[in-house]
Amino acid sequence: DSGVTQTPKHLITATGQRVTLRCSPRSGDLSVYWYQQSLDQGLQFLIQYYNGEERAKGNILERFSAQQFPDLHSELNLSSLELGDSALYFCASSAYLGTGEGYTFGSGTRLTVV
Amino acid sequence: AQSVTQLGSHVSVSEGALVLLRCNYSSSVPPYLFWYVQYPNQGLQLLLKYTSAATLVKGINGFEAEFKKSETSFHLTKPSAHMSDAAEYFCAIQRGVTGGGNKLTFGTGTQLKVEL
Repeated sequence: DSGVTQTPKHLITATGQRVTLRCSPRSGDLSVYWYQQSLDQGLQFLIQYYNGEERAKGNILERFSAQQFPDLHSELNLSSLELGDSALYFCASSAYLGTGEGYTFGSGTRLTVV
Repeated sequence: AQSVTQLGSHVSVSEGALVLLRCNYSSSVPPYLFWYVQYPNQGLQLLLKYTSAATLVKGINGFEAEFKKSETSFHLTKPSAHMSDAAEYFCAIQRGVTGGGNKLTFGTGTQLKVEL
């Protein structure tokens, strides 16, 4: 157990729907990162939050949004889902802003869009 | 922009043999470099990291990596492979400067197979 908790572990939904993925960072970590892992794109950085504020944005689609709450858990919202959004979504955390720290990853949420 | 290139998407070794997984980087500023391992149906686990201290970095499970600036490489090695080492390995890079928003950029991964 890495200390980073992601729920749900699996999600199957239909095209056009909206889902919410949840992440609880390791205790004491202030930064949360979201990554998408797919066979064709590999591991793609989506977004980083630090202590409730957005700090960096990567290849995140406009249909996707995220936030970090006062208790530091984070949610990734995916809307108007398409077949191509099927992937493994990872959350990771680090104590501070992440430079040189290495991230601690959760076990991921596998999203299947049908 | 920073990037890493992992040479060989699949590597196969015999149990007890040397493991060598290759990673070359491209960066306009001094980088921080990382190796992660991913076992089936699990998240990524940090093996080791280079953050500009010693160029030879030792990690968990007997792995080590050497930062070679002249070759822009950060190859991962283990003297003797074990069946439990079979997994996917990712090299990652980060800008080696303080501050926020320094995302980790991952390579495409190398699947390591260990045969009897």
